[in-house]
Amino acid sequence: KQEVTQIPAALSVPEGENLVLNCSFTDSAIYNLQWFRQDPGKGLTSLLLIQSSQREQTSGRLNASLDKSSGRSTLYIAASQPGDSATYLCAVCPDYKLSFGAGTTVTVRA
Amino acid sequence: NAGVTQTPKFQVLKTGQSMTLQCAQDMNHNSMYWYRQDPGMGLRLIYYSASEGTTDKGEVPNGYNVSRLNKREFSLRLESAAPSQTSVYFCAGMGVNTEAFFGQGTRLTVV
Repeated sequence: KQEVTQIPAALSVPEGENLVLNCSFTDSAIYNLQWFRQDPGKGLTSLLLIQSSQREQTSGRLNASLDKSSGRSTLYIAASQPGDSATYLCAVCPDYKLSFGAGTTVTVRA
Repeated sequence: NAGVTQTPKFQVLKTGQSMTLQCAQDMNHNSMYWYRQDPGMGLRLIYYSASEGTTDKGEVPNGYNVSRLNKREFSLRLESAAPSQTSVYFCAGMGVNTEAFFGQGTRLTVV
């Protein structure tokens, strides 16, 4: 059974600092890995999808890396802003299903 | 383009009542999913449909049934609601090796 772990569970940083969010998974046989953002009381919004053949994916201030062999992905958010405050979830897709981590709740202090 | 639409957004049920949560997507996704989200438990897969005409159990299927009515619609039924089914329910759609799109959720309380 695929286990997905996100550490830390919560993170608080001052505005302008770079954010580093970690995701680890136990089974490296995946099709892709996805990062999502969830605001309180809302649904999930897709941020980045990394195919299993890729090492990283970038979108604006966001960069996600994938190391399948070690079962790890890292989401970097550059120059954080208060609007980046949310819960960030990673999910791996080994077949038709997405397995989620519990998320990292980020607070960016103005 | 509405994406993934869930109805209702909020619902209160009494123990033992039944209800159906509706989900529709207009993104031509092959696969559709039902998750529940509970504090401290993350998102757990209830049922999924890899393609039209197929459904399979996820991690926590007990107490639920699903129907993939057509490619667009995937409903979740609670036959006899229990307080343990109080949760936020999310429907999602995903294409082959593409990103998943989620609905806004249904907040269900069973009293």
